[in-house]
Amino acid sequence: EVQLVESGGGLVQPGGSLRLSCAASGFTFSNYYMTWVRQAPGKGLEWVANIRQDGSDKHYLDSVKGRFTVSRDNAKSSLYLQMNNLRAEDTAVYFCAGGSGWLVERWGQGTLVTVSS
Amino acid sequence: DIVMTQSPDSLAVSLGERATINCKSSQSVLSSSNNRNYLAWYQHKPGQPPNLLISWATTRESGVPDRFSGSGSGTDFTLTISSLQAEDVAVYYCQHYYSSPLTFGGGTKVEIK
Repeated sequence: EVQLVESGGGLVQPGGSLRLSCAASGFTFSNYYMTWVRQAPGKGLEWVANIRQDGSDKHYLDSVKGRFTVSRDNAKSSLYLQMNNLRAEDTAVYFCAGGSGWLVERWGQGTLVTVSS
Repeated sequence: DIVMTQSPDSLAVSLGERATINCKSSQSVLSSSNNRNYLAWYQHKPGQPPNLLISWATTRESGVPDRFSGSGSGTDFTLTISSLQAEDVAVYYCQHYYSSPLTFGGGTKVEIK
């Protein structure tokens, strides 16, 4: 069974940092393009970033460029999102997701990030 | 950036009746190299992760009931639920995966009338 399990969310002050992790199982992680998608409270889905299977290509939402970094460790079947200089508007549930290409086929349950003083 | 516009924002349909959701992209998501539309539909229920229903605008995913269908090409797309069931109450999103950033529509909330 395909599983994506996020961790690392929590409460952080504006300007602070968090590192989200996503542990994958039940499929060959190194074959999947991986993506982070977020949903702010009461809002819709927002694509945040993605990373190619070998980590050589990454794309970001403009509002997170220079603050967020997506990475992966295929040996550990894990995806990461390093989030720096966090803002109140980054408050959201962050979903780890993946697919054979840019199409997102599988999703994790999500982890909540709250940016507040 | 490609802007995805969904309509309506919400929809109330009687059980067994048809529900139709529209999605318009600000530029074409049809690739000339492979003649495929880079357009997906997701169902999102509260407390659950989104679920991929339709890819490539018209391809139903394995396990998705055949009452769900996708149509359209270029910039105009439609998700149709042919006979609404109680378990279909959810928010539905279209998303393009043609270029970065991969944007979602604003979502359509489907309820029972």
